[in-house]
Amino acid sequence: EVQLLESGGGLVQPGGSLRLSCAASGFTFSGYAMSWVRQAPGKGLEWVSTIRDSGAQTYYAESVEGRFTISRDNSENTLYLQMNSLRAEDTALYYCAKGRCVSGYCPNDYWGQGTLVTVSS
Amino acid sequence: AIRMTQSPSSFSASTGDRVTITCRASQDISSYLAWYQQKPGKAPKLLISAASTLQDGVPSRFSGSGSGTDFTLIISCLQSEDFAVYFCQQYYNYPWTFGQGTTVEVK
Repeated sequence: EVQLLESGGGLVQPGGSLRLSCAASGFTFSGYAMSWVRQAPGKGLEWVSTIRDSGAQTYYAESVEGRFTISRDNSENTLYLQMNSLRAEDTALYYCAKGRCVSGYCPNDYWGQGTLVTVSS
Repeated sequence: AIRMTQSPSSFSASTGDRVTITCRASQDISSYLAWYQQKPGKAPKLLISAASTLQDGVPSRFSGSGSGTDFTLIISCLQSEDFAVYFCQQYYNYPWTFGQGTTVEVK
């Protein structure tokens, strides 16, 4: 059974940093692209970042480019999101999601339950 | 960025109804479109990928169609467990973008 367990969320002041983690199990983690998607309270879904299976390719939303860094440790089956220079508009529930790639195109077929990030003074 | 526009934003329906939700992309995305269902307090669930491929375990009353810029999600006979928010998403190129969501409410 595929399981994705996010952690690391919390309350942080504007300008602060947080590191989110996503522990994966139930599949061969190193074989799949992984993503972070966020959802502000009462709002829709916003894609944040994706990392390919090897970690060699990463992609970011314009809203987080230069502030967030996605990475993975395939030996530990863990996905990370380092978030720096946090802003109030980064407040959201952050989901970790597994990609199901076909010819390089990867919809997200499994999602964790999310970890809440609140940026406020 | 490719803009995804869903319609309607919300509507009321009854069990047994046929439900149609549309999603329009601001440019050609071929068939690289996914549909997700989200229930309150839960993570999104992938229903359909590649515009029309039903995921394992998803009931056959769900179907998807379309290519290019215009896509449709149909629920042929609405069940009580289908009241939820539905999102479309293009994964043709980065940045991936979602529609704003369609809320299917109980009439």
